[in-house]
Amino acid sequence: EVQLLESGGGLIQPGGSLRLSCAASGFTFSNYAMKWVRQAPGKGLEWVSTLSASGGTTYYAGSVKGRFTIFRDNSKNTLYLQMNSLRAEDTAVYYCAKDFYFFDFWGLGTLVTVSS
Amino acid sequence: EIVLTQSPGTLSLSPGERATLSCRASQSVDSDYLSWYQQRPGQAPRLLIYGTSNRATGIPDRFSGSGSGTDFTLTISRLEPEDFAVYYCQQYGSSLWTFGQGTKVEIK
Repeated sequence: EVQLLESGGGLIQPGGSLRLSCAASGFTFSNYAMKWVRQAPGKGLEWVSTLSASGGTTYYAGSVKGRFTIFRDNSKNTLYLQMNSLRAEDTAVYYCAKDFYFFDFWGLGTLVTVSS
Repeated sequence: EIVLTQSPGTLSLSPGERATLSCRASQSVDSDYLSWYQQRPGQAPRLLIYGTSNRATGIPDRFSGSGSGTDFTLTISRLEPEDFAVYYCQQYGSSLWTFGQGTKVEIK
């Protein structure tokens, strides 16, 4: 059974940093591209970043480029999102999701709140 | 960047009725890369349809997708109580992934 479990969310002040993790199981993690998607409270879905299966190619939404870094450790079956220079508008539930062209399985999400 | 516009914003229907949801793109979308998701309250989204018309694993056949170019449709043939939720379309193109703003299907 595919499982994705996000962690690392919490309350952080504007300008701060946070690292999210997504622990994967139930599939061959190193064979799949992975993504982060976020959803602000009461709002729709926003793609954040995608990482190739090997970890060699990254893609970012314009709203986070230069501030967020996606990376993975295939030996630990874990995806990460390093978030720097956080802003109030980054407040959202962050989901990790599997695959490249679409999002074929989602985790339950972790809430990030950026507030002073 | 391709913008996806979903309509209507809210669809009020009764169980057993047919639901037709629209997703219109600002420019042509490769039909291989158009997908639909369902999000129930308090839950993560789940994949319903990929490649315009292919049902994901475990998705009932009352869900169907169609379309091409800039106009795509998700149809739910007979609404079940568990189908009242928010639905999003999504496309991939030019190394960007975008979602529509969502259509809420609510009980009339």
